[in-house]
Amino acid sequence: KQEVTQIPAALSVPEGENLVLNCSFTDSAIYNLQWFRQDPGKGLTSLLLIQSSQREQTSGRLNASLDKSSGRSTLYIAASQPGDSATYLCAVSSRGGSNYKLTFGKGTLLTVNP
Amino acid sequence: NAGVTQTPKFRVLKTGQSMTLLCAQDMNHEYMYWYRQDPGMGLRLIHYSVGEGTTAKGEVPDGYNVSRLKKQNFLLGLESAAPSQTSVYFCASTIHLAGSKDTQYFGPGTRLTVL
Repeated sequence: KQEVTQIPAALSVPEGENLVLNCSFTDSAIYNLQWFRQDPGKGLTSLLLIQSSQREQTSGRLNASLDKSSGRSTLYIAASQPGDSATYLCAVSSRGGSNYKLTFGKGTLLTVNP
Repeated sequence: NAGVTQTPKFRVLKTGQSMTLLCAQDMNHEYMYWYRQDPGMGLRLIHYSVGEGTTAKGEVPDGYNVSRLKKQNFLLGLESAAPSQTSVYFCASTIHLAGSKDTQYFGPGTRLTVL
């Protein structure tokens, strides 16, 4: 059974700092890994998707890496801003019968202080 | 495109009452999903559908039923609500072209309280 773990559970940083969020998964037979952002009381927004054949993806100040063999991914946020404050969720996609199933971590709550 | 919409946004039920949550997507997606999100538990898959007229059980299906009569709609039903079903419910959809490139698009959620 796939399990996804995110460390740390919460992180508080001053504005402008570069930071790294970590995600690990137990089964390396994945199709992709995704990072989502969730604002309080809102749904999930996809930030980055890394296919299993890729090593990293970049979008603006965000960079996500994937090491499938070791079951790890990191989300790097450069020059953090108060608007980055949210919960960040990692999810891996794997095959389960006819379904491409997403297994989520419990998230990292990020607070960026002005 | 409105994307994925959910109705209602909030609901309070008494134990034993029934209700239906509606999810609609206008992206012509094949796959649709219902999740629940609870503190400390993360998102857990309740039921899913791989196309019109199909449904399947996810990780926590007990106490819920679903239907996908139309491709764009996925309904989640609670026949006899219990306090343990107090949660935030999210619907999601994906086009399912090649698996590895698929991302799931999420609705804004329905916050359900069962007293």
